[in-house]
Amino acid sequence: DIQMTQSPSPLSASVRDRVTISCRASQNIDNRLSWFQHKPGRAPRLLIFAASTLQSGVPSRFSGSGSGTDFTLTISSLQPEDFATYYCQQTYIVPYTFGQGTMVDTK
Amino acid sequence: EVQLVESGGGLVQPGGSLRLSCVASGFSFRSYWMSWVRQAPGKGLEWVANIKENGNEMNYVESVQGRFTVSRDNTKKYLYLQMNSLRVEDTAVYYCGRGMWAGAVWGQGTTVTVSS
Repeated sequence: DIQMTQSPSPLSASVRDRVTISCRASQNIDNRLSWFQHKPGRAPRLLIFAASTLQSGVPSRFSGSGSGTDFTLTISSLQPEDFATYYCQQTYIVPYTFGQGTMVDTK
Repeated sequence: EVQLVESGGGLVQPGGSLRLSCVASGFSFRSYWMSWVRQAPGKGLEWVANIKENGNEMNYVESVQGRFTVSRDNTKKYLYLQMNSLRVEDTAVYYCGRGMWAGAVWGQGTTVTVSS
């Protein structure tokens, strides 16, 4: 199985901070990488797919980059509603493994 | 409105069985792969299984292979997860998702607790 490793974990930040979360795959996955936001008691929310394509309705402060094995999710200016846990998921081959998650909490 | 609603969770003893259901509305259910994803207490997300549009292909994570079976009824717009030989470590919130890897549409989840 492909292992997905996220860093940092956790991440402490303040409103209006620029936040960067990294995700590394244990083998090449081309651009087959999605990012999700998850809050307690709610369904996960797709933010980015195909490494850099913004899902419809997601604010433009979210962006994704990378290919191969190294990927990044960036929040350009953290908003109060962005405090949550973020997961990367490889969509290259089954099983479609997730990273361990990065909790973004208040500094 | 595009929607997925899970049901069927509950408390079951180790070794027992449970069938989860997920009903779809607001989209052409028969046109999509469907997936199950779970989250154990205090843990991250784990993709569990998926099933092709016509039900002729299924994939599973190794930890549930041989114990769980995913199926679907395209006429009724239902997705199912039959869980047998349940273990304590199967305790989790189970989500259904639209797509091979879950994707953009998820249900709110149903809780499965395996405990004696």
